[in-house]
Amino acid sequence: DIQMTQSPSTLSASVGDRVNISCRASQPITTWLAWYQQKRGQAPTLLIYKTFTLETGIPSRFSGSGTGTEFTLTISSLQPDDFATYFCQQYNSYSGTFGQGTKVEIK
Amino acid sequence: LRLQESGPRLVKPSETLSLICTVSGGSLSRSGHYWGWIRQTPGKGLEWLGSIYFTGATYYSPSLQSRVTLSIEKSRSQFSLNLTSVTAEDTAAYFCTRQFYGGVVWGQGTLVTVSS
Repeated sequence: DIQMTQSPSTLSASVGDRVNISCRASQPITTWLAWYQQKRGQAPTLLIYKTFTLETGIPSRFSGSGTGTEFTLTISSLQPDDFATYFCQQYNSYSGTFGQGTKVEIK
Repeated sequence: LRLQESGPRLVKPSETLSLICTVSGGSLSRSGHYWGWIRQTPGKGLEWLGSIYFTGATYYSPSLQSRVTLSIEKSRSQFSLNLTSVTAEDTAAYFCTRQFYGGVVWGQGTLVTVSS
């Protein structure tokens, strides 16, 4: 299995900050990479799929980049609603493995 | 598309955990879409358990393959999870999902506790 490692585990930031969350794969990904947001007590929600593509309805301040083993989720200007935990996932059509999550906290 | 999990919230050790996912607003027979289960625990994080296609083809996590069975009932717009011989380590939030090239759509999840 491909292992996914996110960094940092916790990130303290202020409203308006630019935030980058890193996701590293244990070997080059030949399928797809997605990002999810999870708020306390809720299911994760899809933000970005196929590394770059923004899910319908997701604000444009979210963006994804990367290739091979290194991927990044960027929030260009952090908003109050964005304080949550973020997960990356390498996936194919029917399975996948997740990073351990990055919690974005209020500084 | 909406996915809703249902089933017992408390299961005894060594017994079978059974959950059903009811799908509304979409067809289980849509080409390229796979229906599955993911669980989440504070210790192990998010773990994919298995997926099923409308043809009945199944895909299971290698670490759980001996204990997991998925089935699908298209006429009821439902698919289900059976996890046998459960232990306390199977206590988790269980999510039913739809997955395809566009990522994962999640049900709201249900917390299942394994305890006597």
